[in-house]
Amino acid sequence: EAGVVQSPRYKIIEKKQPVAFWCNPISGHNTLYWYRQNLGQGPELLIRYENEEAVDDSQLPKDRFSAERLKGVDSTLKIQPAELGDSAVYLCASSTLAGGSHEQFFGPGTRLTVL
Amino acid sequence: SQKIEQNSEALNIQEGKTATLTCNYTNYSPAYLQWYRQDPGRGPVFLLLIRENEKEKRKERLKVTFDTTLKQSLFHITASQPADSATYLCALETSGSARQLTFGSGTQLTVLP
Repeated sequence: EAGVVQSPRYKIIEKKQPVAFWCNPISGHNTLYWYRQNLGQGPELLIRYENEEAVDDSQLPKDRFSAERLKGVDSTLKIQPAELGDSAVYLCASSTLAGGSHEQFFGPGTRLTVL
Repeated sequence: SQKIEQNSEALNIQEGKTATLTCNYTNYSPAYLQWYRQDPGRGPVFLLLIRENEKEKRKERLKVTFDTTLKQSLFHITASQPADSATYLCALETSGSARQLTFGSGTQLTVLP
C-alpha cells in the first residue's frame, strides 16, 4: 500500500514569493491534515479536512495561507506571500475512522526555506 | 494554559538498557495518548495508543503507561538497540477533538553501541 505522498520534498524561495505544497493521502482515508513543524518542535496542526470540508482551520494564518481539497482526495497548501518565519517542514497526514483507528499516517514532509 | 512537556534534553543510553521517556501535560483531559517515532527527514510514524482508562500497553519491546492522576505517560524501550535512535513524540487526543492530535516537542533518543 502506498503511503502519503508529498511534493516537493524541498523548496527554497525568497520572501514575498508564493509557494504551494501538494499532498496525496492514502487511498480511502477521508481525513487529511496539514501540520507545520519547526526545528526541535512537534508538529502543529494548520488545518483538518473531512472529505472536502475544512472542519478545523483555526490555526491557519488566513491572511497568507490557503488550502483546498478538491474532490476529497488530493490537497494543496499555499502560502502567498511567504515570510522568513514560514521556514519549516510542512507535513501532510491522513487517517481513516475504519476499525476505530486513531492512527495518523504522515508523509515525508516538504522542507521550506524562505530567504 | 495547555502544555505538553517531554524530556527537555536529549537522552543517551547504552545498548541493551531500558530507555524511559516522559510526557507530562497540564490543562488537558486526553481520552487517548499516542506515541510516534520520527527519524531525520521523515514524517512521524505511529507506535502505540493508550486510552484514558488503560494503565499500561505493550507492543514487543515497547511499553507505555498512562497515569491520568499524575497527568503523565511513560514510554519504555527495553533491550534498546542503536536502531531505536530517533525522536519520540507524544500526542494527546481529547474526546471532543475527533482524532485531532496535539504533539509534544519530542525527545531525541540516542542508543550508544
